[in-house]
Amino acid sequence: NAGVTQTPKFRVLKTGQSMTLLCAQDMNHEYMYWYRQDPGMGLRLIHYSVGEGTTAKGEVPDGYNVSRLKKQNFLLGLESAAPSQTSVYFCASSVLVSAGELFFGEGSRLTVL
Amino acid sequence: GENVEQHPSTLSVQEGDSAVIKCTYSDSASNYFPWYKQELGKGPQLIIDIRSNVGEKKDQRIAVTLNKTAKHFSLHITETQPEDSAVYFCAASPHTGTASKLTFGTGTRLQVTL
Repeated sequence: NAGVTQTPKFRVLKTGQSMTLLCAQDMNHEYMYWYRQDPGMGLRLIHYSVGEGTTAKGEVPDGYNVSRLKKQNFLLGLESAAPSQTSVYFCASSVLVSAGELFFGEGSRLTVL
Repeated sequence: GENVEQHPSTLSVQEGDSAVIKCTYSDSASNYFPWYKQELGKGPQLIIDIRSNVGEKKDQRIAVTLNKTAKHFSLHITETQPEDSAVYFCAASPHTGTASKLTFGTGTRLQVTL
């Protein structure tokens, strides 16, 4: 009964390096999301997917790319990391196309030096 | 787009007292208002939500009230316990949109002291 699993949980990068965050869900949800959480700014949507093979931009998409090759996985990539991307990243999934419960992973803390 | 403001940013109450967190929103099209609780080191978890056709909803010690005219909604926690200590986020979304339209408040850190 894992729910939403994110890997890695912690990562330190140097400016300019690339990395990929992996999100996996075992609830057969169609919809998946990537958020970033910064102090005093709440949760902001980066990218989302409404089904396998689809992706769309959220509120703060610049500097990130995503892929949804399999229904259960949603990958978030940083091609050239910048200090401004230091944040805690949360993946979430949901059943409903309209507003409904989001199921979040436990987060991935990324530091870019 | 939607703008959600949340107050206070921090709240300290004694065990057994009540806690109230308030949010205002700007988009009159919003009609779904969830509240999420985030414990230390965990992801947010939905604790209660309300839709615009309802003015109040209760679930044991927690309740949410909604005033669509004034565009504000509040979370009420009664008989607070140490396990209520967490960060709470309000959010607003148009019901007919996808969850990608969900706008979160900036969070309230609630501390329940013994």
